[in-house]
Amino acid sequence: DGGITQSPKYLFRKEGQNVTLSCEQNLNHDAMYWYRQDPGQGLRLIYYSQIVNDFQKGDIAEGYSVSREKKESFPLTVTSAQKNPTAFYLCASSRAGGLSTEAFFGQGTRLTVV
Amino acid sequence: SQKIEQNSEALNIQEGKTATLTCNYTNYSPAYLQWYRQDPGRGPVFLLLIRENEKEKRKERLKVTFDTTLKQSLFHITASQPADSATYLCALDPVTGSARQLTFGSGTQLTVLP
Repeated sequence: DGGITQSPKYLFRKEGQNVTLSCEQNLNHDAMYWYRQDPGQGLRLIYYSQIVNDFQKGDIAEGYSVSREKKESFPLTVTSAQKNPTAFYLCASSRAGGLSTEAFFGQGTRLTVV
Repeated sequence: SQKIEQNSEALNIQEGKTATLTCNYTNYSPAYLQWYRQDPGRGPVFLLLIRENEKEKRKERLKVTFDTTLKQSLFHITASQPADSATYLCALDPVTGSARQLTFGSGTQLTVLP
């Protein structure tokens, strides 16, 4: 089955630690995204990538970093510089091209600072 | 600044009735508008897409309208069922390039009462 897989589902981070969230897709999509969702708020874009080895900052990139070494993979690192990292993180992918297409989302990673 | 508002945080309706959800936007000229369904603790799932030159789109019990003059989209679920209970998100797509930079509303939580 084609899809997008995020891991882990739950993640706990201590103060001052960096943690990496995994996102893998087998949909052969060029574009991949990371969103953050807080209670009562919409999804906010952290980073996106249109092609391997290239990525762009979204609206709330501070305290986060990404890499795109393979088409299938787009990991997100939450660094210690992110002061309020507790949130639900969603990875998505979509086809690139001239027509708008829907985004396919993973099941999310819930990150909690302990 | 760009703003997307979904009519209310929560909407309760009786089973069998039609649910109508609203998405309003300002300072924005989307080429496409999408609607997603999100269940608790899960990633959003794409439902429908409507283009700026389309007035209405239907899919089974779902209907979406898009009024670029009013800057509003309406999302209808007819003959609603308890299984339709979820949060529904609208997302605007400016078609700025090959990557889809969707901007999401905060969602409306729909509860269909048996």
